[in-house]
Amino acid sequence: ETGVTQSPTHLIKTRGQQVTLRCSSQSGHNTVSWYQQALGQGPQFIFQYYREEENGRGNFPPRFSGLQFPNYSSELNVNALELDDSALYLCASSPPSGETQYFGPGTRLLVL
Amino acid sequence: KNEVEQSPQNLTAQEGEFITINCSYSVGISALHWLQQHPGGGIVSLFMLSSGKKKHGRLIATINIQEKHSSLHITASHPRDSAVYICAALRSGGGADGLTFGKGTHLIIQP
Repeated sequence: ETGVTQSPTHLIKTRGQQVTLRCSSQSGHNTVSWYQQALGQGPQFIFQYYREEENGRGNFPPRFSGLQFPNYSSELNVNALELDDSALYLCASSPPSGETQYFGPGTRLLVL
Repeated sequence: KNEVEQSPQNLTAQEGEFITINCSYSVGISALHWLQQHPGGGIVSLFMLSSGKKKHGRLIATINIQEKHSSLHITASHPRDSAVYICAALRSGGGADGLTFGKGTHLIIQP
């Protein structure tokens, strides 16, 4: 059974560009949550997808959007990148039963 | 004031010491997670608690629902325990709010 994977591991973009981050959930998990972790801070909840629909959202602007696919993998898209978007982006999947979330290794985004 | 507060923010101890990290929360929760994050970012879930106490190896986690407080203990600490330890609350009452995280406790165990 493979765990949660994310790609790419590292990414450098410039201000104003757009970025897509990808997450493959653990087998059997139908819920994916995305988090942003700025340097030295705890992660902040961006949004959650359940069965291909957005199921909850944190305090992030609309330029943060996402998708979940029929195989439950997910994408996080960020448009019009800003310097403050530089962070570690974590996705976590969870099974239908419950509350435990399994985290991926993260994608480290640097916006110059 | 953050909804999830951890203390201490930084902790340096000698190998073998007993370590306690505290977490207080101000929201109603259905579960509380303790997570470990190593340099480089990967997060590992250590415990999920909704009541009482759990033990895994040298790690023990306790929660007091009435006092809205949880602790993570490490017995016989070892340099490989050096990491950031994060508590995260899953809110009660339904809805998909994700986890609310504390800022983490940066633990260094010196040989």
